[in-house]
Amino acid sequence: GDSVTQMEGPVTLSEEAFLTINCTYTATGYPSLFWYVQYPGEGLQLLLKATKADDKGSNKGFEATYRKETTSFHLEKGSVQVSDSAVYFCALIGANTGNQFYFGTGTSLTVIP
Amino acid sequence: EAGVAQSPRYKIIEKRQSVAFWCNPISGHATLYWYQQILGQGPKLLIQFQNNGVVDDSQLPKDRFSAERLKGVDSTLKIQPAKLEDSAVYLCASSLVRGRADTQYFGPGTRLTVL
Repeated sequence: GDSVTQMEGPVTLSEEAFLTINCTYTATGYPSLFWYVQYPGEGLQLLLKATKADDKGSNKGFEATYRKETTSFHLEKGSVQVSDSAVYFCALIGANTGNQFYFGTGTSLTVIP
Repeated sequence: EAGVAQSPRYKIIEKRQSVAFWCNPISGHATLYWYQQILGQGPKLLIQFQNNGVVDDSQLPKDRFSAERLKGVDSTLKIQPAKLEDSAVYLCASSLVRGRADTQYFGPGTRLTVL
């Protein structure tokens, strides 16, 4: 079945460091791919998404490119800030699963000044 | 625009007791979802409604969990009786339509602790 595997955390970075959180997926056909972020005490918020191969989603300095050949959707940011500290979830909606999200286990990021 | 509202935010009960969670989706959103998020895991879909009809409840433990969305707006998720393994955050989400790329908006969740 459809699934998402993402890099385990926790990840701790210094402010202005480069961030990569790896995400790979298994799905039939062409799923839609998402990154959600969960700040402490809050619900999940959509960070970015891509709906077809080679699409790049971007928001708030974060980027992720839908790579069909490597079945990946890695999250990157060139310079992290303390306010980026949160848990990041990779997710997909499969081509034939009726809008059901499959989430990864989440990666906790802490950015220190 | 108001977001997805959930209550209560926290609930502590003893095993074998009953509990109910409430969700009010974003106005006009036809599709509503309930997820269970166990500590250290990603959210897992329990049930999905389209208006007031159930679209997918394949992962809902129907012997103890039930959910309804009577007027196609608010929804209630109930657990009766609760087990220790039900300790989790219960998330409600809504989306405007049921498209494959449609964004789901999440509420803050209800953290349930079963003792």
